[in-house]
Amino acid sequence: GAGVSQSPSNKVTEKGKDVELRCDPISGHTALYWYRQRLGQGLEFLIYFQGNSAPDKSGLPSDRFSAERTGESVSTLTIQRTQQEDSAVYLCASSLRWGYEQYFGPGTRLTVT
Amino acid sequence: EDQVTQSPEALRLQEGESSSLNCSYTVSGLRGLFWYRQDPGKGPEFLFTLYSAGEEKEKERLKATLTKKESFLHITAPKPEDSATYLCAVQAGAQKLVFGQGTRLTINP
Repeated sequence: GAGVSQSPSNKVTEKGKDVELRCDPISGHTALYWYRQRLGQGLEFLIYFQGNSAPDKSGLPSDRFSAERTGESVSTLTIQRTQQEDSAVYLCASSLRWGYEQYFGPGTRLTVT
Repeated sequence: EDQVTQSPEALRLQEGESSSLNCSYTVSGLRGLFWYRQDPGKGPEFLFTLYSAGEEKEKERLKATLTKKESFLHITAPKPEDSATYLCAVQAGAQKLVFGQGTRLTINP
């Protein structure tokens, strides 16, 4: 079946602009996660959605970052007023439910110039 | 604070030369330990989940084992296509996954 998809695959933006990243999870997966991976670094948790529960936003690095999810489908991660330190690969993952193995998308490479 | 440390950071092997990657962790109440493989420019690919000490899982040339303090990913007679970064992650209780920094494995033909 189809895996997790993300778009765009690459995004170059100017400092100060807003960007929106999209994630389509595996159908039937109730949990969805966003991570950030800086060059040569490990994965940094950003936010997690489980069904209709309130999301866990504990990993969001600043109030410039926000995310939404419609039911158990598509999620968007928005970064406002982008800064150069936001340059990274943003990875989305989904799992059947919390605690189960996570399946990752290919990521969106964001470059802020 | 939950911590995950992987070693070595990088490992070069000749094709057919078996070795092990280590993942040491300190968590309260381990719920699960996960191994992933990540190829350059791609998202991590799920390999194994281990839940309790003594558990082992195998897939092709890979075998993952778990103790109360660490996990090993054993690679037997590796091939060049096994070259990748291997990530370990732990989940404790209701907490989020905590990832290690990864081991970059290179298999030379």
